[in-house]
Amino acid sequence: DIQMTQSPSSLSASVGDRVTITCRASQGISNYLAWYQQKPGKVPKLLIYAASTLQSGVPSRFSGSGSGTDFTLTISSLQPEDVATYYCQKYNSVSFTFGPGTKVDIK
Amino acid sequence: EVQLVETGGGLIQPGGSLRLSCAASGFTVSSNYMSWVRQAPGKGLEWVSVIYSGGSTYYADSVKGRFTISRDNSKNTLYLQMNSLRAEDTAVYYCARSIDAGPAAFDIWGQGTMVTVSS
Repeated sequence: DIQMTQSPSSLSASVGDRVTITCRASQGISNYLAWYQQKPGKVPKLLIYAASTLQSGVPSRFSGSGSGTDFTLTISSLQPEDVATYYCQKYNSVSFTFGPGTKVDIK
Repeated sequence: EVQLVETGGGLIQPGGSLRLSCAASGFTVSSNYMSWVRQAPGKGLEWVSVIYSGGSTYYADSVKGRFTISRDNSKNTLYLQMNSLRAEDTAVYYCARSIDAGPAAFDIWGQGTMVTVSS
């Protein structure tokens, strides 16, 4: 089975900072990679799919890149409402494994 | 409005069974891949099972042989039959829709239903 890892596991940044989260697959998954945001007590929300396609309605400060085994989610200017846990997910075969998550806080 | 509503969660003893339902509106469940995802208290997201638009089903190793995913097209409803429940199955269970009629990210999620396995 393909395993997904994320780094860091948590981060604290100031409002306006550029934030980058990394996701790595144990084998190549082309661009079958999604990113989700989950705020405390809320349902996960799709941010990006196909590694770099922004889901409708998601602010443009979110962006994704990568292909194969290494992917990144970038928040260009962190806002207070971005406090959440972010998960990557691969969906290239019969399993849809999530990464362990990255918790983002405001410093 | 496109929406998913889960029901059926509750408190169940270890070894027991429970069936979760996920009623869809605004789209047809048989036209998309549909999945169940769970989240144990304070933990991350864990994909549980998927049913393809063509009817094929797949499971995470942690539930294989104990859980069964199915759908009723006439009721536009997805199900998860959970047998031989264990304490480690305690979680919020979400149903989710894949964007496309194929392997794809999950664009619509239900609000979740809590399953607690405890004596």
